[in-house]
Amino acid sequence: AQRVTQPEKLLSVFKGAPVELKCNYSYSGSPELFWYVQYSRQRLQLLLRHISRESIKGFTADLNKGETSFHLKKPFAQEEDSAMYYCALKSFGNEKLTFGTGTRLTIIP
Amino acid sequence: DTGVSQNPRHKITKRGQNVTFRCDPISEHNRLYWYRQTLGQGPEFLTYFQNEAQLEKSRLLSDRFSAERPKGSFSTLEIQRTEQGDSAMYLCASSFEGGTGSTEAFFGQGTRLTVV
Repeated sequence: AQRVTQPEKLLSVFKGAPVELKCNYSYSGSPELFWYVQYSRQRLQLLLRHISRESIKGFTADLNKGETSFHLKKPFAQEEDSAMYYCALKSFGNEKLTFGTGTRLTIIP
Repeated sequence: DTGVSQNPRHKITKRGQNVTFRCDPISEHNRLYWYRQTLGQGPEFLTYFQNEAQLEKSRLLSDRFSAERPKGSFSTLEIQRTEQGDSAMYLCASSFEGGTGSTEAFFGQGTRLTVV
């Protein structure tokens, strides 16, 4: 069975400081990993996916198969980054997303 | 708003009553998903459709739950004989799957169900 773990429920970071939201997964095959974000009073939306290898809103995430991790990073936090962040996994040949429990990120001005 | 639309946004019902939720996906999307989210948890997969065919159901989807997508467009999720444990946010998402790959899943704003 696949599982996604986000160890931090809450994370507070000062504006301008680096941000790292942790995500670990368990899955025996080759997964597809995603980060979703939910801003206050908005719907859940895709932030980035590992196959795109993009930087979105200054965020990046690298899939580390050895450590089974997909941590989300940003070098300089901005106030508008305050939101709920969910890591999610899709297994090969399966359409469902398995989500972690989420991390609420608060940027302190 | 041309995104995924869910109705109603909120529903309060008495235990034992039946409820039905509707999801209108993005118009050209052929895949539609239902998820459930309880407080402090991430969304949990319930079921998904490819056009009108229901291709996968989670074990979370008890026999009191039924989902349909009769014409491959909008979908309904019905819960019969509601229980307090059914209280949750029900999320719908849609995506397009074509020969060259699939788009991301776009989520609706959800229907919050409270069973009293």
